[in-house]
Amino acid sequence: DAGVIQSPRHEVTEMGQEVTLRCKPISGHDYLFWYRQTMMRGLELLIYFNNNVPIDDSGMPEDRFSAKMPNASFSTLKIQPSEPRDSAVYFCASSQRRFEAFFGQGTRLTVV
Amino acid sequence: QQQVKQSPQSLIVQKGGISIINCAYENTAFDYFPWYQQFPGKGPALLIAIRPDVSEKKEGRFTISFNKSAKQFSLHIMDSQPGDSATYFCAASMRGIDWYGGSQGNLIFGKGTKLSVKP
Repeated sequence: DAGVIQSPRHEVTEMGQEVTLRCKPISGHDYLFWYRQTMMRGLELLIYFNNNVPIDDSGMPEDRFSAKMPNASFSTLKIQPSEPRDSAVYFCASSQRRFEAFFGQGTRLTVV
Repeated sequence: QQQVKQSPQSLIVQKGGISIINCAYENTAFDYFPWYQQFPGKGPALLIAIRPDVSEKKEGRFTISFNKSAKQFSLHIMDSQPGDSATYFCAASMRGIDWYGGSQGNLIFGKGTKLSVKP
């Protein structure tokens, strides 16, 4: 298996634009997580899904953030409208057990 | 109470030396303590993990020491090598009754330690 695949690897966008991050989890994993990593706040869990159903989105910072998982092999994290403070590395992770996450390589988002 | 406090923030060790990273937690319901290793430009990867029913777990040059009464655990890297230079994160979770997931158990991460091993 190729592991968790995220796209794009880098995204630069202007403030106010919509940004969509994509994730393909490891086949057979039924948990999917979205994390955000910054120097100030470290690794923060934004939302996680179990069997494609959002279970806990309490980490989503604002209504500007939304996440979907239309099927077992694909998830998106959308930010609309984007702001400079959203600049961070966003990781997707998947697992068979909720506490043992396998991370993708991340998407580095820069909002200017 | 959900926090995991990690120290030091950065660490410089000579090749062949011992690297020690410490973490502390408050929530006594935590029962799974993994360490993740992250290289620049990569996502974190599980390195080693321990459950609180043991005081030490060793895998090669990496050892977790766990002190349940003090609510502390640490990562020791023996014979540190330049290739070990990375950021290390401790984490904690509640596995719940069911080891295979159950209804609780998100990973709570420490802030990370940037380790540099000098040749």
